[in-house]
Amino acid sequence: AQRVTQVQPTGSSQWGEEVTLDCSYETSEYFYRIFWYRQLFSGEMVFLIYQPSFDTQNQRSGRYSVVFQKSFKSISLVISASQPEDSGTYFCALSELIMGYKLTFGTGTSLLVDP
Amino acid sequence: EAAVTQSPRNKVAVTGGKVTLSCNQTNNHNNMYWYRQDTGHGLRLIHYSYGAGSTEKGDIPDGYKASRPSQENFSLILELATPSQTSVYFCASGDRGLGGLGEQYFGPGTRLTVL
Repeated sequence: AQRVTQVQPTGSSQWGEEVTLDCSYETSEYFYRIFWYRQLFSGEMVFLIYQPSFDTQNQRSGRYSVVFQKSFKSISLVISASQPEDSGTYFCALSELIMGYKLTFGTGTSLLVDP
Repeated sequence: EAAVTQSPRNKVAVTGGKVTLSCNQTNNHNNMYWYRQDTGHGLRLIHYSYGAGSTEKGDIPDGYKASRPSQENFSLILELATPSQTSVYFCASGDRGLGGLGEQYFGPGTRLTVL
């Protein structure tokens, strides 16, 4: 069973628009973290932002922020003022304390930002 | 300068042959991981290690072995390669997660083709 689900296989945006990418997950643990990574067209994986389960505040990092809905076990990545350089594949990943903080990845959302 | 390096970057192997993928990290992280990435599956964990001398099975360990001879090096071994192991393999390093974010830093990937 898929434990991390990204239902949008693809997404698109125009330059300057706000983009929202969705992720849902399954866990019965209290302590966990959700990470967002971006995979560049070269294949490189870049860490973007993370959300700890115990923090009710939505995390922000530059143009990236998350909308964390813990009770629904869902989290969205929000990219403000999207740029063509933001194009790539975005992965969310679940990290659980009980599992030694191994990452379980979703299948990714491929984003294209038009200039 | 890159903190996680992989070799080779590309490899063509024959069915039944032995393949060794190597990973080196200069992050001084205790944990290291091997993933494979296939279309429609995201990244899936094959083996991981908590430190020199330790290896643990991930979610899809069948057909793979791992070796962690030192803090810096982590190898993935395919004793009898099969075409189903054709994939892109990523190595990553990360801290224990306690007191740190627990994020993982990825190498550039190795594209393996088994004919």
